Amino acid sequence: NAGVTQTPKFRILKIGQSMTLQCAQDMNHNYMYWYRQDPGMGLKLIYYSVGAGITDKGEVPNGYNVSRSTTEDFPLRLELAAPSQTSVYFCASSYPEGTEAFFGQGTRLTVV
Amino acid sequence: AQSVTQLDSHVSVSEGTPVLLRCNYSSSYSPSLFWYVQHPNKGLQLLLKYTSAATLVKGINGFEAEFKKSETSFHLTKPSAHMSDAAEYFCVVSDASGGYNKLIFGAGTRLAVHP
Repeated sequence: NAGVTQTPKFRILKIGQSMTLQCAQDMNHNYMYWYRQDPGMGLKLIYYSVGAGITDKGEVPNGYNVSRSTTEDFPLRLELAAPSQTSVYFCASSYPEGTEAFFGQGTRLTVV
Repeated sequence: AQSVTQLDSHVSVSEGTPVLLRCNYSSSYSPSLFWYVQHPNKGLQLLLKYTSAATLVKGINGFEAEFKKSETSFHLTKPSAHMSDAAEYFCVVSDASGGYNKLIFGAGTRLAVHP
């Protein structure tokens, strides 16, 4: 099994550009998550999804959008990149309550 | 709402000595708790988890953690540190309020291991 796959691994964006971070999982998990990791701040939840067609905001959703058209895929969209969005982004998936999440390798995004 | 506090942002130990990484949580009901490890420029790997079974949980690479409800703690320990243990460690609580499972992360503890 590939687990959780994120693409790209690295990206540099200019202010105002847009991009989509891709995330796919092959474990048939219902739950999927997007986190961002800033130095010394742990991981903050951006958006999550409990199944195809269902998404909800996490702690820091501003500036991002998501969709969940299939169980496998959960892309994260940045519409107007800002320097504050410079971060490492992690996608994760899990079964429902009380179970651990499986993480992708992360996408390091720099906005200049 | 659930929350997690990791009491030390940095811990430094000598190789072969014990490791203690401290974590306190707040929860309105019986939580699920996890420890994850992140090596430099890598993703997160699950070390161990507590889900209301045995209070002493054993994980990978010789790590273990004890759930203490009276102290709302879930400290991570290892009897003898190895150089390869140098990494960032995250204590995580599962927040199922509202019916959906969300993982709430602590700020992390960076473990340094010296020869």
